[in-house]
Amino acid sequence: GDSVTQMEGPVTLSEEAFLTINCTYTATGYPSLFWYVQYPGEGLQLLLKATKADDKGSNKGFEATYRKETTSFHLEKGSVQVSDSAVYFCAPLPSGTYKYIFGTGTRLKVLA
Amino acid sequence: NAGVTQTPKFRILKIGQSMTLQCTQDMNHNYMYWYRQDPGMGLKLIYYSVGAGITDKGEVPNGYNVSRSTTEDFPLRLELAAPSQTSVYFCASRPQSTEAFFGQGTRLTVV
Repeated sequence: GDSVTQMEGPVTLSEEAFLTINCTYTATGYPSLFWYVQYPGEGLQLLLKATKADDKGSNKGFEATYRKETTSFHLEKGSVQVSDSAVYFCAPLPSGTYKYIFGTGTRLKVLA
Repeated sequence: NAGVTQTPKFRILKIGQSMTLQCTQDMNHNYMYWYRQDPGMGLKLIYYSVGAGITDKGEVPNGYNVSRSTTEDFPLRLELAAPSQTSVYFCASRPQSTEAFFGQGTRLTVV
């Protein structure tokens, strides 16, 4: 069945460090790919998305590229800030799917 | 535009009590979801709906019930609260083939 694998957290970085959070998925067809972010005490919100192969989603300095050949959608940011401390969820949405299953998320802690 | 609204924000229940968590969306989305998030964990899907009158079980439906009489509303019912249902509950909605929009959550404690 469809599934997503994210790197386990917590990920702890110093401010201005480079961030990569790995995400790989298995899905039939060509899913749309999403990264969501959850700040402390809040609900999830969309961070970025890509809907077809080789698309790059970007927002707030974060980027992720839809890699069909490796079924991956790794999240990257060149220089993290303390305010980026949050939980990040990779959530592929297979086409024609009604259920929307999320994984465990990856907690990021950025230290000043 | 209010988006997805959940009420209440916080609630303490005694074991065996019942309650309904309310969720309403004003975006005319067909798909709606209920998730629970235990401390330090990811989201688990409880129930979902693809339109008014149509609901289905998710990953962890036991102890919960839902209904969807209108496009806007998707309440979640807990009939006999148990300590294992202590969690944060999120409602979400989405249109077809694009991202979900989440409410701010309901923090439930069962004592």
